Amino acid sequence: ETGVTQTPRHLVMGMTNKKSLKCEQHLGHNAMYWYKQSAKKPLELMFVYSLEERVENNSVPSRFSPECPNSSHLFLHLHTLQPEDSALYLCASSQDRLATTGELFFGEGSRLTVL
Amino acid sequence: QKEVEQNSGPLSVPEGAIASLNCTYSDRGSQSFFWYRQYSGKSPELIMFIYSNGDKEDGRFTAQLNKASQYVSLLIRDSQPSDSATYLCAVDGYSTLTFGKGTMLLVSP
Repeated sequence: ETGVTQTPRHLVMGMTNKKSLKCEQHLGHNAMYWYKQSAKKPLELMFVYSLEERVENNSVPSRFSPECPNSSHLFLHLHTLQPEDSALYLCASSQDRLATTGELFFGEGSRLTVL
Repeated sequence: QKEVEQNSGPLSVPEGAIASLNCTYSDRGSQSFFWYRQYSGKSPELIMFIYSNGDKEDGRFTAQLNKASQYVSLLIRDSQPSDSATYLCAVDGYSTLTFGKGTMLLVSP
C-alpha cells in the first residue's frame, strides 16, 4: 500500500458543481499539506495541517475548503470553481510541520479539469 | 516573499555525460535545500538535501551549496535515460518548502 493515497485521480467538473478530493496517509505523520501544481508554475502551497489543526492558509480563495478529520485523512472540498483552477492537486505529508528534513511524501495527485 | 529560481529547460545531455542543474534563492536566511525529482505524470520524490556549504555526494548525485552566492546545484554523473525528469529545487520555509518551477532534464541514449 502506497504511503499517501489520493482519490479521485482524475476529476472533471462544471463551475457549479461541488466535489471533494480525498487524501489518506499511512505513514503515521503529523502534518499534511495541499499543493497546487499548474503548468509552468512552481508548486503552490495551499494549506498545512499539523495534528489536525490548520496552521497555514496561503491566501487561497474560499471556493477551496480543506478538512482534516484526523491525522491520517485530509479533504479538499471544491465549490463554484473557475476554469483557471484546473490543475494537479497534490497532497503531501511529513513527520512534523517544520519539514526540516525536507522529506515531503507526495500522493500521485488529483488532476482536476473545470469546464 | 521567498523566491526560488530555476531554468525551465529542457536541458539535453547525452547518456553518460554530467548533467548540471542550477537553482538560486532569494532568502539569505534559508538553511535547508532540497532536490526533488518528478517523472512525467508522477508526484515529486526527494533525492537529495543539503544544509552546509560545499558538496554532498550520494551515488551518482552531488548537491553543491554556496550560501554566499545563494546558489545550489545538482550534478548527475553518468546520466542515464532513466534520469529524464523534471528536477525541483526547494528551500525551507516557516512550516514547509518553497519550490522552484523545475528544470526538465532529457538524457538521450
